[in-house]
Amino acid sequence: AQSVAQPEDQVNVAEGNPLTVKCTYSVSGNPYLFWYVQYPNRGLQFLLKYITGDNLVKGSYGFEAEFNKSQTSFHLKKPSALVSDSALYFCAVRARRAGANSKLTFGKGITLSVRP
Amino acid sequence: EAGVTQSPTHLIKTRGQQATLRCSPISGHTSVYWYQQALGLGLQFLLWYDEGEERNRGNFPPRFSGRQFPNYSSELNVNALELEDSALYLCASSISQGWETQYFGPGTRLLVL
Repeated sequence: AQSVAQPEDQVNVAEGNPLTVKCTYSVSGNPYLFWYVQYPNRGLQFLLKYITGDNLVKGSYGFEAEFNKSQTSFHLKKPSALVSDSALYFCAVRARRAGANSKLTFGKGITLSVRP
Repeated sequence: EAGVTQSPTHLIKTRGQQATLRCSPISGHTSVYWYQQALGLGLQFLLWYDEGEERNRGNFPPRFSGRQFPNYSSELNVNALELEDSALYLCASSISQGWETQYFGPGTRLLVL
């Protein structure tokens, strides 16, 4: 069974500092990996995804993520955090070879808090 | 381009009643997914419809059901509501399966009293 681990419940950073939100996954074979963000009382917004190719993926709002196959990780990063980045962040994985009916599995989410 | 829309935004029911939630996907998307986001439990996959057929189902009892219409919109029905069904129900759509990105609607917040 596939799974996603987001080991921290909350990440706190100061505005202007770099941020990292961690994600590790478990899946049979190669993965498709996604990051989503959720603001209060809103649906999820897509940030970026890894399908194949370059391990460093760039996404919306200055976010990027690095796929590391040996460590089965897909950490989300941003060089300089903004207060407006404060939200709930979800990592998700889908097996590439699980057949036509495979589903997307989400982690439990990490709350990012950026202080002014 | 319009995004995924869901209705109603809020729904209040009493235990034992039935709830019907609706979702309209992005134009051109044929797959619709339903998720439950209960407090403290993250996103739990409920159902996936593609081209009118149920493709996959999460670990939920049969009283959670749904369907997809010819125009690709979808309904989620929850029968015999229980207090623990109170949650934000999110709908997402995508072009097809595989690596295609799922785009989410704003959700329907269901409160069961």
